[in-house]
Amino acid sequence: NAGVTQTPKFQVLKTGQSMTLQCAQDMNHEYMSWYRQDPGMGLRLIHYSVGAGITDQGEVPNGYNVSRSTTEDFPLRLLSAAPSQTSVYFCASSYSGVSGGDTEAFFGQGTRLTVV
Amino acid sequence: GQQVMQIPQYQHVQEGEDFTTYCNSSTTLSNIQWYKQRPGGHPVFLIQLVKSGEVKKQKRLTFQFGEAKKNSSLHITATQTTDVGTYFCFGYPGKLIFGQGTTLQVKP
Repeated sequence: NAGVTQTPKFQVLKTGQSMTLQCAQDMNHEYMSWYRQDPGMGLRLIHYSVGAGITDQGEVPNGYNVSRSTTEDFPLRLLSAAPSQTSVYFCASSYSGVSGGDTEAFFGQGTRLTVV
Repeated sequence: GQQVMQIPQYQHVQEGEDFTTYCNSSTTLSNIQWYKQRPGGHPVFLIQLVKSGEVKKQKRLTFQFGEAKKNSSLHITATQTTDVGTYFCFGYPGKLIFGQGTTLQVKP
């Protein structure tokens, strides 16, 4: 069982570069989300999606774009990387498409991103 | 804005001591979930509470949801070194928001 797969696991970017963090789930979950984790800040919601073609902003969306063309995939794009985006990024999915908070969320292994 | 606050941020205990973390929301929550993240790992679901005043137990872990559905607690009885990690509450006050987490260190 693959669950939620994130790639890459590690990435170093130069300031101003762009990149896409990949997230795929094989559980047919409607709800998918992206979080960033920084020391002392917990997990902060970047963007989320309640189904294919539907996305919305979370707490800290600036500098990030998302799209949801299929149920399985929810990529996160950094448009122009900045040192402030150095963080650990987690993708999560859950069954519920309405609230996303009704059922257990499954997390990927995380992507550790450093922007220099 | 909508916030879910968790205290304490860090807790160091001697093995065998009890541990409690508290989660407080500025707004009423539809439900609350608790997750555990081991060092270097990813959050893993522990439990979900839905009803006002609900209490659930998992072996040495006791979870409570407040009567007003604005606060919750996780209590671990007789901590073990395997309990080390960060415990997060996860609420839905409109959007899925995590508390900042409580990092538990257990000294053997």
